Amino acid sequence: EAGVTQFPSHSVIEKGQTVTLRCDPISGHDNLYWYRRVMGKEIKFLLHFVKESKQDESGMPNNRFLAERTGGTYSTLKVQPAELEDSGVYFCASSQERMGVAKNIQYFGAGTRLSVL
Amino acid sequence: AQSVTQLDSQVPVFEEAPVELRCNYSSSVSVYLFWYVQYPNQGLQLLLKYLSGSTLVKGINGFEAEFNKSQTSFHLRKPSVHISDTAEYFCAVRNAGGTSYGKLTFGQGTILTVHP
Repeated sequence: EAGVTQFPSHSVIEKGQTVTLRCDPISGHDNLYWYRRVMGKEIKFLLHFVKESKQDESGMPNNRFLAERTGGTYSTLKVQPAELEDSGVYFCASSQERMGVAKNIQYFGAGTRLSVL
Repeated sequence: AQSVTQLDSQVPVFEEAPVELRCNYSSSVSVYLFWYVQYPNQGLQLLLKYLSGSTLVKGINGFEAEFNKSQTSFHLRKPSVHISDTAEYFCAVRNAGGTSYGKLTFGQGTILTVHP
């Protein structure tokens, strides 16, 4: 069974440009999460999808970040325009849990390393 | 609000020695607790979890952790480490319910380096 897959593995862009990160969750997982780790800091939650709906987007830093999950399968995270402080590693995770039941495990992808110059 | 503190940013240890990675958390609600490991160029992998029941939980690769509710701690231990245990380890908590049930709150990470 394929794990959580993220594309690209690395992205280097200039300030002001747009970047789109993609996450393919484990097949059958309704729940998809985005996290970010800025260098030297802890991994921070960005948002949580249940199928195509946003269950919790309390961690999204500002309106330059747009996450979508059309059809409830893969998800994209767009940063437009990118700023220097957006640099970091963006992780995606998925889980099979039912809504309101927090016991199931989140499986993580290898992450996308974003460098904004 | 929740917070997780991993008390050591780096832990060097010799092969076959025991190791303890410390984790304390703060939360006003019931939580589930996790330890994840990240090997170089890989994603986070679950080592073990505490959901309920016995406070001593065993995970993969010989690791175990003990949940101490009174001290709000969840320290990770291994009696004898191998070179292959060199990695970064993350302690994390999740609410046991509520609208933000999916959100993992992580500690800052502890880099374990095992020397021959």
